[in-house]
Amino acid sequence: EPEVTQTPSHQVTQMGQEVILRCVPISNHLYFYWYRQILGQKVEFLVSFYNNEISEKSEIFDDQFSVERPDGSNFTLKIRSTKLEDSAMYFCASRETGTNYGYTFGSGTRLTVV
Amino acid sequence: AQKVTQAQTEISVVEKEDVTLDCVYETRDTTYYLFWYKQPPSGELVFLIRRNSFDEQNEISGRYSWNFQKSTSSFNFTITASQVVDSAVYFCALTGSGYSTLTFGKGTMLLVSP
Repeated sequence: EPEVTQTPSHQVTQMGQEVILRCVPISNHLYFYWYRQILGQKVEFLVSFYNNEISEKSEIFDDQFSVERPDGSNFTLKIRSTKLEDSAMYFCASRETGTNYGYTFGSGTRLTVV
Repeated sequence: AQKVTQAQTEISVVEKEDVTLDCVYETRDTTYYLFWYKQPPSGELVFLIRRNSFDEQNEISGRYSWNFQKSTSSFNFTITASQVVDSAVYFCALTGSGYSTLTFGKGTMLLVSP
């Protein structure tokens, strides 16, 4: 069964550093998403991406964050100047066009900022 | 604005008991979609079910069943004869007619003891 792949599974970074979280969505999916889950809390929407541009973003997704689809397969989330409160599980998701399909989530990247 | 409420923070049962996880939602959309996801201790989000607002039929899949009632804006999830492997956090989620972002509830942690 096709799956969304996220790397790395766990990343530890120093406060103030930049990190790039990587995702490979399912190949025929056109909509891509990043969600965040702070430990013990609910899953929160960050950003959606379609047709090579951001289609929607939450208030969490400020200038510290950016997304990119650098080639035909990868979808990345860059976090600049990381803060302690950026520590969370970050999930990538993708879906096909239309409403007959669900969202497929990756296994997540656990980001720890120290 | 959309909202999903999972009032039960944590439920503990003994194996073989039946358990129902509650989900109440709010949306102004007339067309919307409801989801349940399972998050085991390993952290990934596992898709369980998707339901659209026009289909109020209850669904059963093995030991899992879902009761969708538009009149009370609820989409409850029942596990029959629970097993230790059912121990996880369960999230209810909602997306509107644009089928864009998912709004998650805070989740219910289910602990099934032997």
